Amino acid sequence: EAQVTQNPRYLITVTGKKLTVTCSQNMNHEYMSWYRQDPGLGLRQIYYSMNVEVTDKGDVPEGYKVSRKEKRNFPLILESPSPNQTSLYFCASSLSLGVYTGEQFFGPGTRLTVL
Amino acid sequence: QKEVEQDPGPLSVPEGAIVSLNCTYSNSAFQYFMWYRQYSRKGPELLMYTYSSGNKEDGRFTAQVDKSSKYISLFIRDSQPSDSATYLCAMSDKFEDTGRRALTFGSGTRLQVQP
Repeated sequence: EAQVTQNPRYLITVTGKKLTVTCSQNMNHEYMSWYRQDPGLGLRQIYYSMNVEVTDKGDVPEGYKVSRKEKRNFPLILESPSPNQTSLYFCASSLSLGVYTGEQFFGPGTRLTVL
Repeated sequence: QKEVEQDPGPLSVPEGAIVSLNCTYSNSAFQYFMWYRQYSRKGPELLMYTYSSGNKEDGRFTAQVDKSSKYISLFIRDSQPSDSATYLCAMSDKFEDTGRRALTFGSGTRLQVQP
């Protein structure tokens, strides 16, 4: 089954404790992205990656890091989480070439709470 | 003022009703318009995609874009309880083969279809 998986699905942590949210896709997509979803603000892009070893900032990159060492994986790293990073996080992927219709395939989400 | 405004709802309708969901936007450069559907505890999935102005129909769903008014709509005919979800509008000024494929999302309208 074609899918984007994220782990963990739920995470409660404390301020300053480094964490990683993993993302993996099995569709051989070149493009991957991380979003956060907050009430009243919609989805906002954190980082994106066009391919292996190619990453760049989205709209709200502060406090986050990413890496893309393999095509299928795109982990999101919070080196020193703060309460304002409490949010619902989504990983997404899409094809890089051909006609792009705005379709991005989203993972199931990771709900992060930083105390 | 947000670039994309969307009434959060909830919108509650009886089964079989025609549903109208709307977004307004301020950026006249937007020319690609999408509707995503998000079920509870799931990631968004693309429902409809429209380029520039006009209508597009897919089964019970019709997407409408009025660029002169900066207004887009999604109509659902013969609504079903399975249509109960949050509907997110999304738009972009360009789709790049390379680049971050920025989508600007509305905050979503929660729809409840009562049996």
